[in-house]
Amino acid sequence: GAVVSQHPSWVICKSGTSVKIECRSLDFQATTMFWYRQFPKQSLMLMATSNEGSKATYEQGVEKDKFLINHASLTLSTLTVTSAHPEDSSFYICSARAWGTSGSPYNEQFFGPGTRLTVL
Amino acid sequence: DAKTTQPPSMDCAEGRAANLPCNHSTISGNEYVYWYRQIHSQGPQYIIHGLKNNETNEMASLIITEDRKSSTLILPHATLRDTAVYYCIVRPWNNAGGTSYGKLTFGQGTILTVHP
Repeated sequence: GAVVSQHPSWVICKSGTSVKIECRSLDFQATTMFWYRQFPKQSLMLMATSNEGSKATYEQGVEKDKFLINHASLTLSTLTVTSAHPEDSSFYICSARAWGTSGSPYNEQFFGPGTRLTVL
Repeated sequence: DAKTTQPPSMDCAEGRAANLPCNHSTISGNEYVYWYRQIHSQGPQYIIHGLKNNETNEMASLIITEDRKSSTLILPHATLRDTAVYYCIVRPWNNAGGTSYGKLTFGQGTILTVHP
């Protein structure tokens, strides 16, 4: 399967600071990337969907000014948690989806390994 | 508003087949059944997907009932490394490209524990 990487794998920051998480598709071009958040013992919750070159679409209840998403290239998307607070501590996971050539759509989503954010 | 129902947990002996059920009684004609799994503190891993025919790959088999209202994921020879949360997801197929249509919505999944 296709490989998606995330960096960093874990980060600890002070309350009020901003943190940037990178998501890269290593061996395919991702026209669409998704950002999820997962709290302990809970399932993944979709935060936003981003298409290369356009603004992200946020799910209801997710503050777009707090979680800034940039998808400037077909292999890189970034999530910036601005003015992070302890309640933002979570496991953030990105996912990338590619599209194949005409007649053979490649629609599976591949997930990164996740980034553990701890805000003190 | 998950569209699938899975048992919260299951156990399986190492080396035996693990059969994970999923109910999706409201599935639409254009929706596929996808299975992912998540090992502790890792990102989800794609396993298999299907529309109406049974599917098999190197990881697992997917059996979908004729009315498509339920399916079973089969791990033929479970190992300790198969211990994970398994998610059954229905999603519309979209080959239009470049949209958020067909995003994956995760339910609570089934915690599969494989024991020696």
